[in-house]
Amino acid sequence: QVQLVESGGGLVKPGGSLRLSCAASGFTFSDYYMSWIRQAPGKGLEWVSYISSSSSYTNYADSVKGRFTISRDNAKNSLYLQMNSLRAEDTAVYYCARDPYGDYYFDPWGQGTLVTVSS
Amino acid sequence: DIQMTQSPSSLSASVGDRVTITCRASQGISNYLAWYQQKPGKVPKLLIYAASTLQSGVPSRFSGSGSGTDFTLTISSLQPEDVATYYCQKYNSAPGLTFGGGTKVEIK
Repeated sequence: QVQLVESGGGLVKPGGSLRLSCAASGFTFSDYYMSWIRQAPGKGLEWVSYISSSSSYTNYADSVKGRFTISRDNAKNSLYLQMNSLRAEDTAVYYCARDPYGDYYFDPWGQGTLVTVSS
Repeated sequence: DIQMTQSPSSLSASVGDRVTITCRASQGISNYLAWYQQKPGKVPKLLIYAASTLQSGVPSRFSGSGSGTDFTLTISSLQPEDVATYYCQKYNSAPGLTFGGGTKVEIK
């Protein structure tokens, strides 16, 4: 079955960097757009970034533009999020999610990885 | 940027009740709206896309309607397993894939 497994979260100091990974299985990864979505503790959902199937197109929420970089390796069935210049407000569970039809909604979602930015 | 406003922010209803959640867009988004269910401690799950198309495997007691700026998610007969927070999401243009603030549904 379709499975998305995130990793790479943890505790990082403000201004630091972290790289999240999402391992995909159970589908042809290279056929699908992928996104990162985050959820601060006790808060709602916030879309972060998406990448097209061939990496031709990427886009970012204004809140992370210039600090985060999305990428993918279709040979490794993996999605990444490089996060630099981290701030306290970036603290959240980060989910990777598949875009089933290239329409920019999300299904399914991974289980998430927690990023905590604190000194 | 288009804002998505959900109401109510929370509700409490009895098992078997009909429950309606509203999502309003600050500008027209045609039918580019999805609904998600997030049960406590769990991952969000897609319920509905294109405002009214039920995702495969979702119980038929869930339905969606609307177009333009006003949308509704209806649970025709609330079940205990429907306790969750429900989010709408617009996807008419990217970037700006905005979610609503969520509606928490509890059993009375």
